[in-house]
Amino acid sequence: EVQLVESGGDLVQPGGSLRLSCAGSGFTLSSFLIHWVRQAPGKGLEYVSGISGSGTGTYYADSVKGRFTISRDNSKNTVYFQMGSLRAEDMAVYFCATSQGAIGTTRGYFDYWGQGTQVTVSS
Amino acid sequence: EIVLTQSPGTLSLSPGERATLSCRASQSVSSSYLAWYQQKPGQAPRLLIYGASSRATGIPDRFSGSGSGTDFTLTISRLEPEDFAVYYCQQYGTSPRTFGQGTKVEIK
Repeated sequence: EVQLVESGGDLVQPGGSLRLSCAGSGFTLSSFLIHWVRQAPGKGLEYVSGISGSGTGTYYADSVKGRFTISRDNSKNTVYFQMGSLRAEDMAVYFCATSQGAIGTTRGYFDYWGQGTQVTVSS
Repeated sequence: EIVLTQSPGTLSLSPGERATLSCRASQSVSSSYLAWYQQKPGQAPRLLIYGASSRATGIPDRFSGSGSGTDFTLTISRLEPEDFAVYYCQQYGTSPRTFGQGTKVEIK
């Protein structure tokens, strides 16, 4: 059974840093692209970042570009999301999700999701 | 980027009724690369439909998707109690992937 488990969410002060992890089980992570989608309290879904199976291709939304970094360690079946210079507007539940295809391909949709991890930014 | 606008914002219906949800794109969605997700409170989104009209594994056939170009529809033929949730459309044809703002289907 494919499972994704996020961890690392916490309460952090504005300007602080946090590293989220997304651990996969039941499948070979390197075969999938991994994405981060966030949901602010009471709001909709926002696609913020993604990484290719090899790790050579990445995407960042303008809202996080230059502050957040996505990476992966396929030997550990884990993707990381390093978040820096955190702002109040980054406060959200962060979900990781898989796709078996890149943007503009038949399998570019998000087929498996983790349960999410809460990031709270407050002084 | 492609902006997806979902309507209505909220749909109030009774179990057994038919639900019709709309997703309109600001420009044509490449190759009908349009997906629908269901999200219940406190849970992750779940893939329902991909490629505008293909049901994901395990999704009941009361859920159906249609449309192409800029206009897409998710239909729930007869609402079951577990179908009351928020539904999002997403396009994955053109970077960046974008989501609609969601339609809440609530019990009338």
